[in-house]
Amino acid sequence: SAVISQKPSRDICQRGTSLTIQCQVDSQVTMMFWYRQQPGQSLTLIATANQGSEATYESGFVIDKFPISRPNLTFSTLTVSNMSPEDSSIYLCSVVRGQGGNEQYFGPGTRLTVT
Amino acid sequence: GESVGLHLPTLSVQEGDNSIINCAYSNSASDYFIWYKQESGKGPQFIIDIRSNMDKRQGQRVTVLLNKTVKHLSLQIAATQPGDSAVYFCAEDDSGGSNYKLTFGKGTLLTVNP
Repeated sequence: SAVISQKPSRDICQRGTSLTIQCQVDSQVTMMFWYRQQPGQSLTLIATANQGSEATYESGFVIDKFPISRPNLTFSTLTVSNMSPEDSSIYLCSVVRGQGGNEQYFGPGTRLTVT
Repeated sequence: GESVGLHLPTLSVQEGDNSIINCAYSNSASDYFIWYKQESGKGPQFIIDIRSNMDKRQGQRVTVLLNKTVKHLSLQIAATQPGDSAVYFCAEDDSGGSNYKLTFGKGTLLTVNP
């Protein structure tokens, strides 16, 4: 598996502000992703964090709202910009690793509440 | 991608019984499936995976069955324990292994009664 940590684990923010979430992996990985999990819901992919290039966003997510950095193969950040209460969610990073090359492991998540 | 759904949103079982959690998928191009367990306040935990060239795979106390004819996936948990109480998600990858993007189902809440 993989050891993945996220900071912060939770935060309460005011609307209109921005929060940057960090994801750290215990070893180099090629594929890193960011997901959102709204309260009581399933996970939705926000974007693929590409090392050395711009992230690839899924439909409904844009770079201006969710800028992502991937400076190296063990670290990524997701910023939630100009927050509104609708952004209250759990944000999770994941990495691909495993014998078969497809196994995807998740971090513990960052629980964000926007007031 | 296409949707992945679950038949039962909640499942309550007695400790020691076997549990079966079901998942229907609609994308016939999906070739890789994963089951995750998510406990309250934690990230999803990888349980077991299966590729489309298989119809059954066993792990420790868990078995995943894949029926491509009816696009159905199930997770069987043997001798269910209170520690198995969690939300279980199925996820599919229809990228053919090229981009590893997962589409998640809605989740089933499993409650194990002592």
